[in-house]
Amino acid sequence: QQQVKQSPQSLIVQKGGISIINCAYENTAFDYFPWYQQFPGKGPALLIAIRPDVSEKKEGRFTISFNKSAKQFSLHIMDSQPGDSATYFCAADFWSEKLVFGKGTKLTVNP
Amino acid sequence: EAQVTQNPRYLITVTGKKLTVTCSQNMNHEYMSWYRQDPGLGLRQIYYSMNVEVTDKGDVPEGYKVSRKEKRNFPLILESPSPNQTSLYFCASRATGTTYGGNFGPGTRLTVT
Repeated sequence: QQQVKQSPQSLIVQKGGISIINCAYENTAFDYFPWYQQFPGKGPALLIAIRPDVSEKKEGRFTISFNKSAKQFSLHIMDSQPGDSATYFCAADFWSEKLVFGKGTKLTVNP
Repeated sequence: EAQVTQNPRYLITVTGKKLTVTCSQNMNHEYMSWYRQDPGLGLRQIYYSMNVEVTDKGDVPEGYKVSRKEKRNFPLILESPSPNQTSLYFCASRATGTTYGGNFGPGTRLTVT
């Protein structure tokens, strides 16, 4: 099974709050888990990524938490800002050939 | 500037009229791929190419063709478009053996009436 399940579909957060987006996968052959940020009218852009041998990766306000045994990973956006309002996609890479995406989360950060 | 370009950016066409969406990258990447994005479905891979003359099907290849005659170009061909191919299309590229997520083009919004 090559699906990646993402939740929630939409998320509204107040400025300064924490945004949390969750993803789950089934195929243990996935070996790379990137997150993409997409603004309206633009293509997805890589935000942060993690390998399954690491439990957490932090880059600025963005953190990926990875739970290999549960086959789940999540994106945390600390101190969320209105400029973070975008659609976020989790993905899983399959032997560097096939990138499987979640269905996306539309994040709105209210000022 | 390193980039993936797509043309056209917007296209309205009629059922059955063959069309080609071009994709070009200037980063000398071996791997190129096409995705379609539909509301509520995320991005789904149509075709990918590991190098020149090497292509393979993604998850939703029906109704599409691709070719990879040059390293920098990876056109998407719809020989007989149908309304269910109305979508937002993205081309992407990355260097083989890397897993940094790749570069995406700006997208092509296709409407088939």
